Amino acid sequence: GAVVSQHPSWVICKSGTSVKIECRSLDFQATTMFWYRQFPKQSLMLMATSNEGSKATYEQGVEKDKFLINHASLTLSTLTVTSAHPEDSSFYICSADTGGFDTEAFFGQGTRLTVV
Amino acid sequence: DAKTTQPPSMDCAEGRAANLPCNHSTISGNEYVYWYRQIHSQGPQYIIHGLKNNETNEMASLIITEDRKSSTLILPHATLRDTAVYYCIAFKGNFNKFYFGSGTKLNVKP
Repeated sequence: GAVVSQHPSWVICKSGTSVKIECRSLDFQATTMFWYRQFPKQSLMLMATSNEGSKATYEQGVEKDKFLINHASLTLSTLTVTSAHPEDSSFYICSADTGGFDTEAFFGQGTRLTVV
Repeated sequence: DAKTTQPPSMDCAEGRAANLPCNHSTISGNEYVYWYRQIHSQGPQYIIHGLKNNETNEMASLIITEDRKSSTLILPHATLRDTAVYYCIAFKGNFNKFYFGSGTKLNVKP
């Protein structure tokens, strides 16, 4: 089946710095990818939709200047957490589907971000 | 997308069938029922999906009621490795957004 890969799997950064997380579709083209955030013992919360060649669309309450999304190619979307703070520490997950109405969404393995 | 409702947790004895219910009373005609699971600190794993017919694969069976307002995921012989949070999602694909509810934490016990 299709594979979505995230990098890095985990990252620790200092407060005030920026962190970039990559999401790649390895064997299919993804014109649309999705980014989620998950806090401990909570469900996945959709943050934004990443659109190849155009601006991302953000869910209500998600700061677009804080979470920069770039979808520069059909196989790569990046999420940059800018000026990270400890409250941004979370599990970030991306997904993509291959289009069509009878398809599954493929998820990356997730990135654990810890801001110290 | 239709909202889904699941019990927060369930227990199951190892080797027995695990039956996980899901209510999706507002599902629309073009929305499929998807099931995913998430094992701790991993990305969600696809299990199965269906539109209106019952489905079976190597992992599980999906039973959808005739009115499509509810469904049941069946793990025929649960193992300890099936301990996870199981999510039922109504989704119409085609790059539409995929929203997660709170899911069911399945605890498989020896």
